[in-house]
Amino acid sequence: DSGVTQTPKHLITATGQRVTLRCSPRSGDLSVYWYQQSLDQGLQFLIQYYNGEERAKGNILERFSAQQFPDLHSELNLSSLELGDSALYFCASSVGSVGSGYTFGSGTRLTVV
Amino acid sequence: EDQVTQSPEALRLQEGESSSLNCSYTVSGLRGLFWYRQDPGKGPEFLFTLYSAGEEKEKERLKATLTKKESFLHITAPKPEDSATYLCAVQSWVGTSGSRLTFGEGTQLTVNP
Repeated sequence: DSGVTQTPKHLITATGQRVTLRCSPRSGDLSVYWYQQSLDQGLQFLIQYYNGEERAKGNILERFSAQQFPDLHSELNLSSLELGDSALYFCASSVGSVGSGYTFGSGTRLTVV
Repeated sequence: EDQVTQSPEALRLQEGESSSLNCSYTVSGLRGLFWYRQDPGKGPEFLFTLYSAGEEKEKERLKATLTKKESFLHITAPKPEDSATYLCAVQSWVGTSGSRLTFGEGTQLTVNP
């Protein structure tokens, strides 16, 4: 157990729907990062939050959004889902805004049918 | 744009047969270079962070080294349990206070008994 908790582990939904993925960072970590891992693109950085504030943005689609709450857990919202959004979504956390070690969760496998 | 290229894509070794994995990178302002191990369907597991050329770190049968353009992960006398995908990533600043990891596609290592 890495200490980073992601729920749900698996999610199957239809095209056009909206889903929310949840991440609780390791105790003491203030930064949360979201990554997408698909078969053809490897791990792609989506977005970073630090203590509730957005700090960095990657190639995140406009249909996707995220936030970090006062208790430091984070949610990634994916809307108007397409088949191509099927992937593993990972959350990672670190103590600072520029981590010396990123701890990853076990991921949420999203399947869009 | 940060780029990470890993080679080979796949590597098969016999137990006890030492080898090296390569990670070549281009980045504007390297903050750190990370190595992770990933088992199928699981989140990446942190192995090493290297910060400057000439730095080396070791853990059990693994040793990571860093130059200005590439990093090597040396595996000495591997065992079947070392079979996994090994990921290399470079860390860079985003804006004034954010950071991101850019990952390579990984090397899939199989160690046969």
